Amino acid sequence: EPEVTQTPSHQVTQMGQEVILRCVPISNHLYFYWYRQILGQKVEFLVSFYNNEISEKSEIFDDQFSVERPDGSNFTLKIRSTKLEDSAMYFCASSEDAGRNNSPLHFGNGTRLTVT
Amino acid sequence: QKEVEQNSGPLSVPEGAIASLNCTYSDRVSQSFFWYRQYSGKSPELIMSIYSNGDKEDGRFTAQLNKASQYVSLLIRDSQPSDSATYLCAVHGSSNTGKLIFGQGTTLQVKP
Repeated sequence: EPEVTQTPSHQVTQMGQEVILRCVPISNHLYFYWYRQILGQKVEFLVSFYNNEISEKSEIFDDQFSVERPDGSNFTLKIRSTKLEDSAMYFCASSEDAGRNNSPLHFGNGTRLTVT
Repeated sequence: QKEVEQNSGPLSVPEGAIASLNCTYSDRVSQSFFWYRQYSGKSPELIMSIYSNGDKEDGRFTAQLNKASQYVSLLIRDSQPSDSATYLCAVHGSSNTGKLIFGQGTTLQVKP
């Protein structure tokens, strides 16, 4: 069964450094998402991406965040200058459609980001 | 007002019992509803989706939807210790970008 893959599984970085989290969505999916989950808290929406542009972003997704689809398969989340509070599990997800029909999100295994 | 609400639990049931998980949502225009299971330290895994009022059954799982009451539930029959996890209710946002809004999740403990 096709799946969303994320790398790395764990990233440790120092405060102020830039990190890039990578994702390969399911190949026939057109809609891509990033979510984060701080330990013990709920899964929070960051951004959705379609047709090479951001379709929606949350208040969390401020100027230090950016997303890119650099080629036909990868989807990346960049955090420009990491803060301690960016420590969380980051999930990439993709879906076939974004309408009201059967279009669940399929999640990758996540990248655990630890900012020290 | 929270968009998707769940009782965080833990909900504890004995093995073989029925576990009942509940969720309410605030946006009346929401059309699609999903239940995900999340084991500790893992990613959300889709269990069920439901779009129409009523019940939808898949093996030991039954999802129930009542749009008038803005209420979704998940029943797990013959609960097993391996069902012990956090169950996340998710609702499509009204923006049509495909975004899902998640509840806090209910932790289920099935005791042998």
